[in-house]
Amino acid sequence: DTAVSQTPKYLVTQMGNDKSIKCEQNLGHDTMYWYKQDSKKFLKIMFSYNNKELIINETVPNRFSPKSPDKAHLNLHINSLELGDSAVYFCASSQALGTSYEQYFGPGTRLTVT
Amino acid sequence: RKEVEQDPGPFNVPEGATVAFNCTYSNSASQSFFWYRQDCRKEPKLLMSVYSSGNEDGRFTAQLNRASQYISLLIRDSKLSDSATYLCASTGGTSYGKLTFGQGTILTVHP
Repeated sequence: DTAVSQTPKYLVTQMGNDKSIKCEQNLGHDTMYWYKQDSKKFLKIMFSYNNKELIINETVPNRFSPKSPDKAHLNLHINSLELGDSAVYFCASSQALGTSYEQYFGPGTRLTVT
Repeated sequence: RKEVEQDPGPFNVPEGATVAFNCTYSNSASQSFFWYRQDCRKEPKLLMSVYSSGNEDGRFTAQLNRASQYISLLIRDSKLSDSATYLCASTGGTSYGKLTFGQGTILTVHP
């Protein structure tokens, strides 16, 4: 009965490949997010969706393309992977869009690009 | 200047000690603040929201000082299990939930 789940948990791939990470939440939340945590442990937002609509799109290379088929799912597709993409990617969700809503994180996907 | 800044520590304290972390934010329009706890190789877990009036949850107390633009987290009677990285986060001046995190403060509680 995991609230926010991600697959896969680990992903090891070579430069130039294309990969996807999936996220699902069963909390009934309207808003979902993708964050990236790099090797220095900084956690930075990449995207957010509210009811399948893109709300936040930070300065992320366009090799990264999020997709929300419904409000319970948010996937992240990465094209032409680079060494610098190695990081932990966390999905999160909140009840709704707004500053006071608490965000709950999935377990993360540890991506290693070789 | 980073939008949210924390002393990375590490803080090494004995069990039973009281320890406090501060986190400063640069955007005076920031509306909401949170403390998260992150264990090694795990996801951030929400510890508590920080309200203007301050809030307490068991051994944990969070305070907000808008005049000086910082939030604090006080942990009383530290337990070994409190060892983790503590992340503060702010929604900045946005009206939507863009969280900006500090780099985290490492706490180690030793016997």
